[in-house]
Amino acid sequence: DAGVIQSPRHEVTEMGQEVTLRCKPISGHNSLFWYRQTMMRGLELLIYFNNNVPIDDSGMPEDRFSAKMPNASFSTLKIQPSEPRDSAVYFCASTSGGELFFGEGSRLTVL
Amino acid sequence: GENVEQHPSTLSVQEGDSAVIKCTYSDSASNYFPWYKQELGKRPQLIIDIRSNVGEKKDQRIAVTLNKTAKHFSLHITETQPEDSAVYFCAASENTGFQKLVFGTGTRLLVSP
Repeated sequence: DAGVIQSPRHEVTEMGQEVTLRCKPISGHNSLFWYRQTMMRGLELLIYFNNNVPIDDSGMPEDRFSAKMPNASFSTLKIQPSEPRDSAVYFCASTSGGELFFGEGSRLTVL
Repeated sequence: GENVEQHPSTLSVQEGDSAVIKCTYSDSASNYFPWYKQELGKRPQLIIDIRSNVGEKKDQRIAVTLNKTAKHFSLHITETQPEDSAVYFCAASENTGFQKLVFGTGTRLLVSP
């Protein structure tokens, strides 16, 4: 398996623009997590899904953030409108109940 | 919810020395405690984990200990090497069945030759 696949790897955008981050979990994994990593706040859990159903979105910072998982092999994290303080590395991770496997991350810079 | 604290935030050692990183957790129901290593610009990767029914686990030069009563767990790296230099994160999983991990703030380990 190629592991958890995220795209884009890097995104530079201007404040106010919509940003969509994508994730393909490892085949067979039934739980998917979105984390945000910054120097100040470390690894923060934003939202997670189990069997494509959102279980806990209490970590989503604001209504500007939304996430979907339309099927077992695809998830998106959307920020609209984006702000400079959203600049961070966004990680997607998946598991079947054991080890949590992370993707390479999407580095977002909002100017 | 669960809260995980990690110390120290930075740790510098000489090659060959031992390194110890400590974490505490708040939720007594947590039952899974993994440690992740993140090299610069890379993804976090699991290096060792321990479950609450075990007090200690060892894998070559790394070991993890767990004290459920005190709600703390530690990572021990012996005979450190320059390639051990990275950021290490501890985590605790709430007892929800979904492997929801709450991470500590990380420890930057620097091993000098």
